[in-house]
Amino acid sequence: KQEVTQIPAALSVPEGENLVLNCSFTDSAIYNLQWFRQDPGKGLTSLLLIQSSQREQTSGRLNASLDKSSGRSTLYIAASQPGDSATYLCAVKTSGSRLTFGEGTQLTVNP
Amino acid sequence: NAGVTQTPKFRVLKTGQSMTLLCAQDMNHEYMYWYRQDPGMGLRLIHYSVGEGTTAKGEVPDGYNVSRLKKQNFLLGLESAAPSQTSVYFCASSYSRESRDTQYFGPGTRLTVL
Repeated sequence: KQEVTQIPAALSVPEGENLVLNCSFTDSAIYNLQWFRQDPGKGLTSLLLIQSSQREQTSGRLNASLDKSSGRSTLYIAASQPGDSATYLCAVKTSGSRLTFGEGTQLTVNP
Repeated sequence: NAGVTQTPKFRVLKTGQSMTLLCAQDMNHEYMYWYRQDPGMGLRLIHYSVGEGTTAKGEVPDGYNVSRLKKQNFLLGLESAAPSQTSVYFCASSYSRESRDTQYFGPGTRLTVL
């Protein structure tokens, strides 16, 4: 059974700092890995999707990497801003219709 | 373009009552999903649909039923609510099951069963 773990569970940083969120998964037979953002009381918004054949994806200040063989992904956020405060969720797709989610990292960026 | 919408946003039920959660999408997506989110458990797939008139069980289907009579709607039913079904329920949709396609999520329904 696929299991996804995110470390740390919570992170608090000052504005402007670069930071890394970690995600690990137990079964390397994945179709893709996605990073989502969830704001309090809201749904999930897809940030980056890395297909299994890819190593990384970038969008603005966000960069996500994937090392499928070791079962790891990182989300790098450059020059963090208070508006980045949210919970970040990692999810892997292991069959056509099934996403397995981690519990998330709650990020607080302090002005 | 509203994306994925869910009704209601909040609901309180008593044990044994029934209710239906409605999910609607206006993106002409084939695939639709129902998840529940619980502290310490992450999001877990309840049921999903790969097209109009089809449904399939996910990871935690017990106590729930679903229907997809129209392509744009996916209904989640609780026939006899239990306190263990207190959760936040999210609906999602995707264009296909291709590895390049992401899922789009609704805002969630917060359900409390007393």
